[in-house]
Amino acid sequence: DAGVTQSPTHLIKTRGQHVTLRCSPISGHKSVSWYQQVLGQGPQFIFQYYEKEERGRGNFPDRFSARQFPNYSSELNVNALLLGDSALYLCASSLAPGRMNTEAFFGQGTRLTVV
Amino acid sequence: EDKVVQSPLSLVVHEGDTVTLNCSYEVTNFRSLLWYKQEKKAPTFLFMLTSSGIEKKSGRLSSILDKKELFSILNITATQTGDSAVYLCAPVETSGSRLTFGEGTQLTVNP
Repeated sequence: DAGVTQSPTHLIKTRGQHVTLRCSPISGHKSVSWYQQVLGQGPQFIFQYYEKEERGRGNFPDRFSARQFPNYSSELNVNALLLGDSALYLCASSLAPGRMNTEAFFGQGTRLTVV
Repeated sequence: EDKVVQSPLSLVVHEGDTVTLNCSYEVTNFRSLLWYKQEKKAPTFLFMLTSSGIEKKSGRLSSILDKKELFSILNITATQTGDSAVYLCAPVETSGSRLTFGEGTQLTVNP
């Protein structure tokens, strides 16, 4: 079985542009979460989606948005990019939130560089 | 606000040494705690801990949770160069909606 897949793996954008990152969860997993990891820090929670509905949102500005599709894949959109948005964006897949024995599995991430 | 503190932030050892990594947390509505190893990009899952005092083991790695004192430790015995990585801990809320990560411990194992 394929693990969590993210695309693209690397991306360079200019300040002010927008970007769309994509994630496909593990087959059978219905929950997708997005995290931002700045160099030298742990991942920071951005969003969680389950059954196409937002189930949680971290402390990020409205420039960040996401959605989940019927096949449980997800997109993260970031508008009006700032230099500080440069980071590794990680997608995590899990069966469902709120279940006791649910680990989250991460994709390889998208390395976004804003210049 | 949820808080996770890992210590030490950085550790350099020689192959064969034993290391203990610490994770203390303050999380409302705690459900479980996860440990991950991050070498290049994707954090890879190591352990999920839900009950106090029950040690989880996987080869040379083991971990235990203390829900009263709000901390967890990750032990690695007979370290190898392949253990070099950032180790992250993340408590999970009962809603399961988010993982709150610490800064991580950068472990370097020298030959």
